[in-house]
Formats: sequence, C-alpha cells, structure tokens
Amino acid sequence: QKEVEQDPGPLSVPEGAIVSLNCTYSNSAFQYFMWYRQYSRKGPELLMYTYSSGNKEDGRFTAQVDKSSKYISLFIRDSQPSDSATYLCATFFSGGYNKLIFGAGTRLAVHP
Amino acid sequence: EAGVTQFPSHSVIEKGQTVTLRCDPISGHDNLYWYRRVMGKEIKFLLHFVKESKQDESGMPNNRFLAERTGGTYSTLKVQPAELEDSGVYFCASSQGPGLGLGQYFGPGTRLTVT
Repeated sequence: QKEVEQDPGPLSVPEGAIVSLNCTYSNSAFQYFMWYRQYSRKGPELLMYTYSSGNKEDGRFTAQVDKSSKYISLFIRDSQPSDSATYLCATFFSGGYNKLIFGAGTRLAVHP
Repeated sequence: EAGVTQFPSHSVIEKGQTVTLRCDPISGHDNLYWYRRVMGKEIKFLLHFVKESKQDESGMPNNRFLAERTGGTYSTLKVQPAELEDSGVYFCASSQGPGLGLGQYFGPGTRLTVT
C-alpha cells in the first residue's frame, strides 16, 4: 500500500469553479501535510501546509486535514487559468530526516 | 536571491552510458536532497546530505547511482551505467537547517532520457 494516494486526474474545470483536490494517507504517525504546486517544466513549490487536523486558509486556497479518516483536501475557490498546474500532496515523518513523501499529483486545467 | 539550480535541464543518453547531474542549492542551505520522478509515478526521495555528509541514502535504487557533495556546496548525482528505467525527472531541493521539512525549495529538475 502506498503511503500517500492521490488521483492523478486530469481535472478540467471552467474558470470560477470551486476545485477540490484530495489525498489519503496510510500512516497515522504523519502530522504535517503539505500541498505543492508544480507548473510545467518547473520544480514543486510549497503552496500550503497544515499540522495535525483542521483547516487552514490562504486567500482562495483552503487546506483541510481529517486525521480520523486520513484524508487531505485542498480547495481552490474562484479558480483561475493561472491555477492550471499539477498539485501534489506530501507529508513526512517529523523527528526524522524530513524526506518528503509525495502523492502522484493531480493535473488541473482551468479553462477560460 | 538565486533559487536552486540544476544542470543540465535535459539529457538524452544511450543505455550503458554515464551521466552526471549537478545541483547548486540556495546559498547557506546545509541540507540538500535528491528526488526522482519516473513516468507515471510519484516523486520519490533518493538521498539527503547535511553539508558534505550523506545523512540518509535509503532511497538510492542501486549502486549504479553515486551522489557526492564535496565541500558541502553543490552536489552531483552520477548514473553509471544508465539503464532504461533510470529515465525520469531528477529534482534537487535544499533547506536551511534540520527539522525543516516544510522549507525544502526545489530546483526545476533535470529530465533524463535513456534510450
């Protein structure tokens, strides 16, 4: 079983739509959960992170973690064509050497 | 401030040849990581340097891969001899200190194609 599962998509939505991106994880020891955004031919860039359970909001982006179901979500409100990218969820074992464990990434296309 | 840079951006080699990838981390970042994404799979950890020392190389696939970080600055990843399954995108990341998994900054990657 993979440590982090993510549907690779692709996901295509019209501009202005609400986007929901999701991951599941297998190990309850994970505490930090990150969302990276990767544009074509670029490296992953940290978008948001959450610690343990709960929500975190940053502008149009909301990250949510439900530890009881081991479910991670990223919501994008009022999506824009500039949001078109691959979104990767990630985690790591805190107290270790912080090697990141990634999901497969979901490719998102927002069309005008 | 310059970000993480990687060279080359793309390399095409034949099976059995040798390739060396280079990563220049952000200045002052003691931690340097190598990751790899093969086609259709998730990005996977290869190894982690703290300065010039290998802290964790549990993700290195086999002994055809050799990573070095002489002087604790830039790092190289050599694949010798390359096999078809080594094709993928190799990412380098750096962070300022230990315990900063949230602060890994990634380079643009080197796309390696083995034919």
